[in-house]
Amino acid sequence: TQLLEQSPQFLSIQEGENLTVYCNSSSVFSSLQWYRQEPGEGPVLLVTVVTGGEVKKLKRLTFQFGDARKDSSLHITAAQTGDTGLYLCAGRGGADGLTFGKGTHLIIQP
Amino acid sequence: DAGVIQSPRHEVTEMGQEVTLRCKPISGHDYLFWYRQTMMRGLELLIYFNNNVPIDDSGMPEDRFSAKMPNASFSTLKIQPSEPRDSAVYFCASSLLPKNIQYFGAGTRLSVL
Repeated sequence: TQLLEQSPQFLSIQEGENLTVYCNSSSVFSSLQWYRQEPGEGPVLLVTVVTGGEVKKLKRLTFQFGDARKDSSLHITAAQTGDTGLYLCAGRGGADGLTFGKGTHLIIQP
Repeated sequence: DAGVIQSPRHEVTEMGQEVTLRCKPISGHDYLFWYRQTMMRGLELLIYFNNNVPIDDSGMPEDRFSAKMPNASFSTLKIQPSEPRDSAVYFCASSLLPKNIQYFGAGTRLSVL
C-alpha cells in the first residue's frame, strides 16, 4: 500500500509570512498532484509534477517534486488570508486511482 | 458545464437505515470515482468506473457498501445498513481519461446517528 504523509497537519501563521508544507512517501510515484480544498467544497487541482526534481510556480506558490519522485513540497511566499484551506497531495502509482495524504490545514490570520 | 453534481449535500440518518448518495459526472467524462473523507483516514478511494463498468472496488470497506453506474450520466453509492462509523464526507469525481485531471463534486456530508 502506498502511503503519503503530510506535515505539518495544522499550520497557523500571520499574513505576509512564508511557509512550506511537505508530502513524503517511501514509494515512488509516476506523478504527484497538489489540491486545495475549502470548507464545504471538493478538492481543486493546483498542479501536477511529473519529473523528478521538477519545480513549478503558480503565482506565490512553488511546488517541487523530489529527485527520487517520493516526496514533494509546497512553498507559499507572502501568505494571504485567501490561501487558507486544506492542502492535499496525491500520488499516482501504476493504477488509475490516486492515493491522497491526509492534508495540511492551513490558516492565514490577518 | 455545471461540473460534478452530488446530491444530497447533507444526509442525516439513523443507524440501520439505507442511504443512497447520487452523482452526475461531467458530460463526456469516461471515468467516475467515489471517495470518502474523514479526519482520521483522510481521502480514500472507494471505487471507480470506466464507461459505466466498475474497474476497482478494492477500497469499498464492507459488503454493506455498493455502487452502480447505470448510465454515463448517473452513479449511486448505497450503504445498507448504515452504521455510525460510516459518517464522513463522500465525494464523487470524474475525469476524461484515467490519468487526467479529476474534477470533484462538492460532496455529501453523511451523519449516521
